Amino acid sequence: KAGVTQTPRYLIKTRGQQVTLSCSPISGHRSVSWYQQTPGQGLQFLFEYFSETQRNKGNFPGRFSGRQFSNSRSEMNVSTLELGDSALYLCASSPDRDEQYFGPGTRLTVT
Amino acid sequence: AQSVTQLDSHVSVSEGTPVLLRCNYSSSYSPSLFWYVQHPNKGLQLLLKYTSAATLVKGINGFEAEFKKSETSFHLTKPSAHMSDAAEYFCVVTHNNAGNMLTFGGGTRLMVKP
Repeated sequence: KAGVTQTPRYLIKTRGQQVTLSCSPISGHRSVSWYQQTPGQGLQFLFEYFSETQRNKGNFPGRFSGRQFSNSRSEMNVSTLELGDSALYLCASSPDRDEQYFGPGTRLTVT
Repeated sequence: AQSVTQLDSHVSVSEGTPVLLRCNYSSSYSPSLFWYVQHPNKGLQLLLKYTSAATLVKGINGFEAEFKKSETSFHLTKPSAHMSDAAEYFCVVTHNNAGNMLTFGGGTRLMVKP
C-alpha cells in the first residue's frame, strides 16, 4: 500500500497570507490527524478528522482549521500567517483508534 | 490529562554498545504508549507500541521497551547500536478517551559514534 502523502513538501509564505496543506491517507484509513513540529514547542496535536467530522481538537487558535473529504483526504488551512507558524506540519492516518502512520511532512516557512 | 517526559535530550553511544532512552509518562487513564523514530528530514516511523498486553514489547530494528506501571516508565532499549540508529526518538502516550490525540515527549537525539 502507498503511504501517507503530503503536498506540497515545502512552502514559503509571507506574514498575513493564508496557506492550505493537503494530506492523502493510506487507502482504507478513515482517521487523519495533524501535528505541528517546531524546535521550541516540539510536536503538538492540532486536530483529528474521522469520516469527515472533527473528532478531536488541540489547543491552537481559530486561525488553524481543517476539513476532510469523503475520500478521507484532508486539508488544513492557516489564515493570517504569523512568523511563529513556521514549522513542519505532519499528517498521520489511522484506520480508526489505532496506531498512526505519518507522512513526510510539509515544511512551512513564513517570512 | 497526560504527559510524557523524556529524561535525556541527547544520548551518545558507540557503535555496538547498548542503547537506553528513558521515558516517564503520566496519564489519568490506562495508557497506550509508543516509541517513534524520526530521521533527518523524514516523517515519524513507529518503532513499537504498548496497549495493555505484554509489558515487554518488541519492535522493529531490534528495539524493545518495557512498560513498568509502578515506575510510570517506558524505557526504550537496544542491545547493540548501529550507525543507522542515529536519529531522534519520541516517546508518545495516549489513551482510549483521547481518541487519536497523541501526546509527545520532547524527544531524545541519539548519536552513534563509530
